[in-house]
Amino acid sequence: GAVVSQHPSWVICKSGTSVKIECRSLDFQATTMFWYRQFPKQSLMLMATSNEGSKATYEQGVEKDKFLINHASLTLSTLTVTSAHPEDSSFYICSAPGGETEAFFGQGTRLTVV
Amino acid sequence: GEDVEQSLFLSVREGDSSVINCTYTDSSSTYLYWYKQEPGAGLQLLTYIFSNMDMKQDQRLTVLLNKKDKHLSLRIADTQTGDSAIYFCAESGGYNFNKFYFGSGTKLNVKP
Repeated sequence: GAVVSQHPSWVICKSGTSVKIECRSLDFQATTMFWYRQFPKQSLMLMATSNEGSKATYEQGVEKDKFLINHASLTLSTLTVTSAHPEDSSFYICSAPGGETEAFFGQGTRLTVV
Repeated sequence: GEDVEQSLFLSVREGDSSVINCTYTDSSSTYLYWYKQEPGAGLQLLTYIFSNMDMKQDQRLTVLLNKKDKHLSLRIADTQTGDSAIYFCAESGGYNFNKFYFGSGTKLNVKP
């Protein structure tokens, strides 16, 4: 089946630095991808919709300047957490549409900011 | 975003049936989903139901949908220890089938 790959799987960074997370659709093209955030022992929260060739659409309460999204090609979306702080530590997951009834999820990226 | 709620924990004995419940608020959702997440892993689609259906059965899984009450349930028959995981219900965001709003997740613990 279709595969969505995220890189890195985990990352530890210092407070104040920026971290880039990549989401790739490996065997199909995705004009839209979605970014989610999962806090420990909590649900996945939709952060934004990444649109190839145009600006991302952010959910209410998500800081667009903090979480920069770039959909550079039909197979790649990136999420950059800028000036990361410990409260940004979380599990970030991307997904790409797989037709009308399904989305393909990446394996997730665990970000720890120290 | 939309509101999707689940109970946080469920504990059952191996061989029993598990029923995980979910309520949602967006009546325009076209599809409702159940996903499984094992520790440290991504999300695995278990099943989904079209909003004009009341029930869907897929091997050990039975999904019931009460659209009037906006209530969704997942029944796992003959629960096994390998079913221990977190189960998320999700609704698709109205016109956008692939944009999901997830419930809080129910952690299912299956005792041998």
